[in-house]
Amino acid sequence: QVQLVESGGGVVQPGRSLTLSCAASGFTFSSYGMHWVRQAPGKGLEWVAVIWYDGNRKYYADSVKGRFTISRDNSKNTLYLQMNSLRAEDTAAYYCARSSGYYVSGTYYMDNWFDPWGQGTLVTVSS
Amino acid sequence: EIVLTQSPATLSLSPGERATLSCRASQSVSSFLAWYQQKPGQAPRLLIYDASNRATGIPARFSGSGSGADFTLTISSLEPEDFAVYYCQQRSNWPLTFGGGTKVEIK
Repeated sequence: QVQLVESGGGVVQPGRSLTLSCAASGFTFSSYGMHWVRQAPGKGLEWVAVIWYDGNRKYYADSVKGRFTISRDNSKNTLYLQMNSLRAEDTAAYYCARSSGYYVSGTYYMDNWFDPWGQGTLVTVSS
Repeated sequence: EIVLTQSPATLSLSPGERATLSCRASQSVSSFLAWYQQKPGQAPRLLIYDASNRATGIPARFSGSGSGADFTLTISSLEPEDFAVYYCQQRSNWPLTFGGGTKVEIK
């Protein structure tokens, strides 16, 4: 079955870096776009970043632009989120999620719905 | 950035009752809207996409409607497992955005 498993969370000091991973299985990873979505404790959902199936396009939320980098290794079926210059407000559960794509007249589009989601990994930024 | 406003923040209902949740966008998102369900300690789950299409495995008691800037998620008859938080999300424009959520609680 389709499965996404995040790892790499933990407690980190402000200003430091952390890299999250999301291991995918049960589907052809290289055919799907992938996202990171986060949720601060007791709060709502915030989209963080997306990467196209081939890694050629990436978009970020303004709140993380310039500090976070999304990447993927299709040979390892793994998605990454490199987080630099971490702040207290980055404290959250981080989820990876899959999106499907489709072609229209030879152009690839992503539907940008999140299905499924991983179970999440908690990042706490604190001194 | 498109802002999604969900109402009410909390809905107190009994099992078997009908739930009607609203999501209003700050500008038109056409039909590019989804609904998710999140239970405590769990990841969200896609319920509805493109405003009115049920995702795979979602029971028929869940339905979505609307277009443009006003959307509704209806649960026709609440089951015990439906008490949760529900979020709407738009994909019309970058950045992708979510509403603040509606908690459906047991009355």
